[in-house]
Amino acid sequence: DIQMTQSPSSLSASVGDRVTITCRASQIISDYLNWYQQTPGKAPKLLIYAASTLQSGVPSRFSGSGSGTYFTLTISSLEPEDFATYYCQQSYSIPMYTFGQGTKLEIK
Amino acid sequence: QVQLQESGPGLVKPSETLSLTCTFSGGSISGYFWSWIRQPAGKGLEWIGRIHSSGSSNYSPSLKSRVTMSVDTSKRQFSLRLSSVTAADTAVYYCARDVQMAVVGTRYFDYWGQGTLVTVSS
Repeated sequence: DIQMTQSPSSLSASVGDRVTITCRASQIISDYLNWYQQTPGKAPKLLIYAASTLQSGVPSRFSGSGSGTYFTLTISSLEPEDFATYYCQQSYSIPMYTFGQGTKLEIK
Repeated sequence: QVQLQESGPGLVKPSETLSLTCTFSGGSISGYFWSWIRQPAGKGLEWIGRIHSSGSSNYSPSLKSRVTMSVDTSKRQFSLRLSSVTAADTAVYYCARDVQMAVVGTRYFDYWGQGTLVTVSS
């Protein structure tokens, strides 16, 4: 199985901050990497697919980059609604999808 | 608009079979893969498996021996059965649409149900 490791596991930041979350794959996955946002009690929401393509309707302050084994999700200027848990997900080893363990973004 | 809704018992006894159904509205169920994903309280996401509208399916190796999925396109529904459940199967279960970026490209979950909590307890 391909293992996905996110860092940090949790992060404290303030409104207006720029934050970056990283996701590492245990083997090369090209750009078969997606990012989701989950708020408490809600289903995950797709933010970015193919490592860097913004899903329709997602604010442009979100961006993704990377290829191979190293990926990042950046929020350029935090808004109050961005405090949530973020997950990466690989789809390279179809049909065995795996998610990272999550990064909880909290208000400082 | 596209919506998915999970339904099924919220409480299942140990050793019995968990059964959930996901109903899709706002589009066509045909031509897509449909996945089940679960999340124990306070933990991360685990992919369980997927089924295509044609009926072909793929399951997570760790759950394969206990999972069966089915689809009823006429009802726009797909279902999950997980047998011999234990407390470790207690989780929120989500259904989601599984789509591919292009002919060759990443697959991702673009629409999700709200999730349904299933507790395994006697």
